[in-house]
Amino acid sequence: EVQLVESGGGLVKAGGSLRLSCAASGFTLSSYSMNWVRQAPGKGLEWVSSISSSSSYKYYADSVKGRFTISRDNAKNSLNLQMNSLRAEDTAVYYCARDGLTSGYETGMDVWGQGTTVTVSS
Amino acid sequence: QLVLTQSPSASASLGASVKLTCTLSSGHSSYAIAWHQQQPEKGPRYLMNLNSDGSHSKGDGIPDRFSGSSSGAERYLTISSLQSEDEADYYCQTWGTGIRVFGGGTKLTVL
Repeated sequence: EVQLVESGGGLVKAGGSLRLSCAASGFTLSSYSMNWVRQAPGKGLEWVSSISSSSSYKYYADSVKGRFTISRDNAKNSLNLQMNSLRAEDTAVYYCARDGLTSGYETGMDVWGQGTTVTVSS
Repeated sequence: QLVLTQSPSASASLGASVKLTCTLSSGHSSYAIAWHQQQPEKGPRYLMNLNSDGSHSKGDGIPDRFSGSSSGAERYLTISSLQSEDEADYYCQTWGTGIRVFGGGTKLTVL
């Protein structure tokens, strides 16, 4: 079964740090670009960061650039998000998601985890 | 700037059909999108990939009641024979080099 399982969420004070992890199973992680997406309470989905299959390219939303760092370890089937200088507005459920591929073409985020909750107290 | 626009809400009766719309920003009418469903208190679920020519490929286990179509810069998700479990938020999503974009979502109410 193709699966993504996030962990590492919790309660942290503003200015603090947190590291999220996403464990992948049921597919070859090294073949796919991966993403972090978040959802603030009562709000829609917001893309946070993406990383290419071999870590050559990393992209960030303007709202987290310079504070968050995405990384991956294909040998350990894991994706990570290091979050520093956290703000109240970073409070959200954080999802990891796979960029789908069909016949070499991207298909959008085709596998999602269940999410991990980050709460930043001010 | 790559932007997706969705109506905030839609409603339809049990057993009826509904067509949700996602509009690509000017200059981006050739982009493919993905549709995602998020039921209350759950994580998102991938429904399908939808190309500019209307061709689409659904995710595993997605019922035939869900289909997609395209016209110009608009991408549609049609749900037929509405069931109570279809009441959810629906998001469109697209991508470019170095960017992923979500629409604001449409909250579908099944009456």
